[in-house]
Amino acid sequence: SAVISQKPSRDICQRGTSLTIQCQVDSQVTMMFWYRQQPGQSLTLIATANQGSEATYESGFVIDKFPISRPNLTFSTLTVSNMSPEDSSIYLCSVEVGQRSEKLFFGSGTQLSVL
Amino acid sequence: DAKTTQPPSMDCAEGRAANLPCNHSTISGNEYVYWYRQIHSQGPQYIIHGLKNNETNEMASLIITEDRKSSTLILPHATLRDTAVYYCIVSGTSYDKVIFGPGTSLSVIP
Repeated sequence: SAVISQKPSRDICQRGTSLTIQCQVDSQVTMMFWYRQQPGQSLTLIATANQGSEATYESGFVIDKFPISRPNLTFSTLTVSNMSPEDSSIYLCSVEVGQRSEKLFFGSGTQLSVL
Repeated sequence: DAKTTQPPSMDCAEGRAANLPCNHSTISGNEYVYWYRQIHSQGPQYIIHGLKNNETNEMASLIITEDRKSSTLILPHATLRDTAVYYCIVSGTSYDKVIFGPGTSLSVIP
């Protein structure tokens, strides 16, 4: 299995500021995914991050708002920029570890509250 | 959009079998059916997956219809700790992005 560490686990931020969320995996992975889960909702895919290339964003998400870095095969960051209260959500990092039964492993998430 | 539809909520008595249905009528030949669950906004946890044969592991059983257009996740003896949101997902095996639908909120009742 893959062990995913996400930091911070939670944060309370002021409107207009930015927060960078880190995702560290204990093994090299090709595909990393960032999801958002708004209160009471399902998971929404923000973007797919492959090492060595720019992230691919889903409809409704843009790089200026959610810049992503993927400097190597074990690490990625997601920044939530110029935050507003509507950005209050859980942000989840997920990885695919080759052809494994589990398909996806998830971090424990970052609970973000924007005041 | 998600490729699956599930009932928004279900109840199950503790100790009884919980049968969670999922429709995936547009599934393609190389796509698998995966089930995950999410407890208390933790990261989703893998339960089981299958292609066309029924599957069983220590957590659950997966029954897939012959036409593969629907499936049922069975928790044979539900406990209170099985209260969670259950997601049915259709995806290829390798590096195919995963889109989550709303899932089924299962409540196990004492």
